[in-house]
Amino acid sequence: GDSVTQMEGPVTLSEEAFLTINCTYTATGYPSLFWYVQYPGEGLQLLLKATKADDKGSNKGFEATYRKETTSFHLEKGSVQVSDSAVYFCALSDRGRAGANNLFFGTGTRLTVIP
Amino acid sequence: EAQVTQNPRYLITVTGKKLTVTCSQNMNHEYMSWYRQDPGLGLRQIYYSMNVEVTDKGDVPEGYKVSRKEKRNFPLILESPSPNQTSLYFCASSRANRGGTGELFFGEGSRLTVL
Repeated sequence: GDSVTQMEGPVTLSEEAFLTINCTYTATGYPSLFWYVQYPGEGLQLLLKATKADDKGSNKGFEATYRKETTSFHLEKGSVQVSDSAVYFCALSDRGRAGANNLFFGTGTRLTVIP
Repeated sequence: EAQVTQNPRYLITVTGKKLTVTCSQNMNHEYMSWYRQDPGLGLRQIYYSMNVEVTDKGDVPEGYKVSRKEKRNFPLILESPSPNQTSLYFCASSRANRGGTGELFFGEGSRLTVL
């Protein structure tokens, strides 16, 4: 079945450090891939997405590239800020399945950025 | 303002006392879904609905019921809550999109404790 495996946290970084959060997936069809972010006390919100192989999603300085050959969608940011402290979720939707709107989420990675 | 509204945001109840968590969206979305979030397990889907009067089970439907009588509302019903249903619950909605590329919009969450 479909699944997402992401790097376990928590991750603690100093401000301006480089961030990578690893995400790999298993899917039977043709997945779209997403990163969602959850700030403290809030619901999840879409950070970026990629819908086909080699696509790069980007937003707010974050980037992730859809790598079909390695079934990966790693999240990166060159210089993190304190305001980036949140929980990050990798997710996929399998376009080959009925109910293609359904997302499968990873377990989440908590990021804390210290000044 | 486009939003998904859940109520209550916080609830403490006792085993066996029926409760309903309401969810309403004002974006005319066809698709709605319920997730629960538990530490170390990420988000797991409970039920989803592709449109009015169309509902289907997600990955963890046991102990829950839903209904979709109106497009904007998708209540989650716990007929006889048990302590293992203590969790953080999220409602989400999106346009129905067979391509599975659309963005999910989340409510702010409902934290339920069953004693």
